[in-house]
Amino acid sequence: GENVEQHPSTLSVQEGDSAVIKCTYSDSASNYFPWYKQELGKGPQLIIDIRSNVGEKKDQRIAVTLNKTAKHFSLHITETQPEDSAVYFCAAAEAGTALIFGKGTTLSVSS
Amino acid sequence: DGGITQSPKYLFRKEGQNVTLSCEQNLNHDAMYWYRQDPGQGLRLIYYSQIVNDFQKGDIAEGYSVSREKKESFPLTVTSAQKNPTAFYLCASRSQGISTDTQYFGPGTRLTVL
Repeated sequence: GENVEQHPSTLSVQEGDSAVIKCTYSDSASNYFPWYKQELGKGPQLIIDIRSNVGEKKDQRIAVTLNKTAKHFSLHITETQPEDSAVYFCAAAEAGTALIFGKGTTLSVSS
Repeated sequence: DGGITQSPKYLFRKEGQNVTLSCEQNLNHDAMYWYRQDPGQGLRLIYYSQIVNDFQKGDIAEGYSVSREKKESFPLTVTSAQKNPTAFYLCASRSQGISTDTQYFGPGTRLTVL
């Protein structure tokens, strides 16, 4: 079955810096890769996703890149702000199957 | 107001008792999921259902049971057989289209065994 590894487990940056979180997956059949942001005590919220037919997707300060050959994908946050502080999860799945999640990255943005 | 609701937000249980967590969605999604979250463990899949009256075990199904009698509802029962039930439980739903399979989460239920 699918296995998703996520690094780093914690990340601390200064406000205005960029943050990068990386994930690798094992199942070459996976073709859907979402990223979720979870604030303390709340459910995860989808922030961006990418499908295997594209290599990069952007939404304002957030971007995701996908390398299917190497089986890894990354989340990039530019111009970080204190409100970006949260736990971020990556996930992978083949269409129609259950998402498998990484163990999460705790991002801290200090002002 | 569309979305996924979970109730209650906090739940306390004595050892040896069964307890049922509610999950309702009005997104008309076919698939529904239950995850358990522990510190440092990420999100682990307990059970999932892709259609009414059908469900499959996830990675950590032991000590849990589910039902899917209606499309909108997917309750999770934590039985006394679950040895360490204290955790944050998350319900999710997802459409099944090839290019529209976005998954949404509810707000979660925190279960504490006393």
